Order: sequence, then C-alpha cells, then structure tokens
Amino acid sequence: DQQVKQNSPSLSVQEGRISILNCDYTNSMFDYFLWYKKYPAEGPTFLISISSIKDKNEDGRFTVFLNKSAKHLSLHIVPSQPGDSAVYFCAAFGNQFYFGTGTSLTVIP
Amino acid sequence: ETGVTQSPTHLIKTRGQQVTLRCSSQSGHNTVSWYQQALGQGPQFIFQYYREEENGRGNFPPRFSGLQFPNYSSELNVNALELDDSALYLCASSLTANYGYTFGSGTRLTVV
Repeated sequence: DQQVKQNSPSLSVQEGRISILNCDYTNSMFDYFLWYKKYPAEGPTFLISISSIKDKNEDGRFTVFLNKSAKHLSLHIVPSQPGDSAVYFCAAFGNQFYFGTGTSLTVIP
Repeated sequence: ETGVTQSPTHLIKTRGQQVTLRCSSQSGHNTVSWYQQALGQGPQFIFQYYREEENGRGNFPPRFSGLQFPNYSSELNVNALELDDSALYLCASSLTANYGYTFGSGTRLTVV
C-alpha cells in the first residue's frame, strides 16, 4: 500500500522556467515532509523539508508547499537549471519515513 | 566534512547465502536507518537504530537484521537470500529521528 505517491514519473522543463513536482499522501497523521534529490550512482541528498504546522517553506530556488486538507505536497524550483536534472523523491514521516516512487526531472538547456 | 559511506558498492550473491552490508555514519549521528530500493521504486524502510538499539522496523522478515556500533558504524545482515532481495540498499544517518537524513551512495546487491 503506497502511502506516498508521485504520479508523474518524469518531467521535462526548459532552463529558466519553473519546475513543479507533486506528491500526494494518504495518512493525515504524517507531520513532517521532505524532498530528496538523487543523481545516478549516488544516494539521495536532502533538499528541503516542511513541518505540518506550516504551509510553505522556502530555501533559495526551492519552495515546498503543503496543503494538508488535500494531503498534497509540491516542490517548486525557480529558475530551473540543467544541474537540477535528477530524480526527486518526496517523503513523509509518521513513525518512519515513507517515500514516493520518484519523479525524474530533466531541465533542457 | 565526513558523509555516510557504504561498502561494498556492488555485490553478487547466490540464493540461500548470507550477506553483510556495512555503513559508516557521520560522527555524532546516533540514528541510522536502512532502506531497500528495488528498481523503479522509492526506498522502503527496513529498520532504524538509535544508540545501538532497534527502535523501528518496516515490513521486512526477521532474516533482515542489523547492528549499530558505538563508533557510528552499522551493519545490515540478510540471511537465506532470495532473488527478490536484489536491490539497492541505502543507509542514512541523522542526529535525531526527525532531523534531515544524510544518505550513503548505497550497495547494489544482486542475488542470482
């Protein structure tokens, strides 16, 4: 049973434009959410997090939005750069981490 | 600056064998967790250790076991290997269970 879902397996965006990656979850008890970035042959790298008491967290070009009523999380990257091309995982924390299946982002120069 | 290192990077084992995967965490990180990532899937939580005690476990059978040592290293042991155990195994460490985790690059296990 997939408690965290990323329904878009891939996304292509032009350099300089906005990338929006989406994530849905089923358990309203999740209280902490994260986004990870993963390059091939490397482990996931922590990107940004958000607590359930907030609805937005910003860090440079990366902003995470949380809509608790919709159980929806999104990551905005503005402006997108070719180095952002990677697989992005969202994760939700209850008593353990639950990961989505990932979205492969390609930023086209 | 030290990260999380895992060894070996790749491993091939035969069905029925036993395997030990190793992880060296960042100094001071008392929490370590292990994940299995099958091809095309997100990481699945195996278990977590805090100060050498297991304090959380995912939906994995008892043949998956672990150890955490005082020097911030840890092991994942898998007995009676099955073909479906073929996956990337990730180790992640953190200061506390709710803090951002640092992941290692993983061990690619192939069971034939």
